[in-house]
Amino acid sequence: AQSVAQPEDQVNVAEGNPLTVKCTYSVSGNPYLFWYVQYPNRGLQFLLKYITGDNLVKGSYGFEAEFNKSQTSFHLKKPSALVSDSALYFCAVRVLAAGNKLTFGGGTRVLVKP
Amino acid sequence: NAGVTQTPKFQVLKTGQSMTLQCAQDMNHEYMSWYRQDPGMGLRLIHYSVGAGITDQGEVPNGYNVSRSTTEDFPLRLLSAAPSQTSVYFCASSYVQGGTEAFFGQGTRLTVV
Repeated sequence: AQSVAQPEDQVNVAEGNPLTVKCTYSVSGNPYLFWYVQYPNRGLQFLLKYITGDNLVKGSYGFEAEFNKSQTSFHLKKPSALVSDSALYFCAVRVLAAGNKLTFGGGTRVLVKP
Repeated sequence: NAGVTQTPKFQVLKTGQSMTLQCAQDMNHEYMSWYRQDPGMGLRLIHYSVGAGITDQGEVPNGYNVSRSTTEDFPLRLLSAAPSQTSVYFCASSYVQGGTEAFFGQGTRLTVV
């Protein structure tokens, strides 16, 4: 069975500092990896994805993520965090051979302080 | 472009009552799914469908039924509501290819008393 782990329930960072949200996954087969963000009382919004090719992918709002196959990780990063980045972030994985189900991690709450 | 539309946004049920959460998408997506979101547990897959007439169970299917008679609609039925089903429910859709991102509805906040 596929699974996703987000080891930190919450990440606190000062505005202007780098932001990293960690994600590791476990699958059989080649993974498609995604990051989503959820603002209060809203649905999930897509940020970025890794399908194949370059291990560093860039997405919306200045976010990027690095795929590391050997460490089975897909950490989300932003060089300079904004207060408006405060939200709940979810990592997710999809494997075509496993029914194409989208499996989510438990989520990481990011709090950016002014 | 409406995207994924869920109704209702809020609902309060009494234990034992039944109801249907509606989900519709206008993007001609083959893949549709239902999740529940509970504090500290992320999103857990209830049921999913890869096309009209095809449905399958996710990780927490008990107490829920689905059907997919059209590409556009994927309703979720609670047969006999229980307090453990108090949650926020999200519907999502995407193309069936694995590398495509999912689009989410705004959610339904359900309380069972």
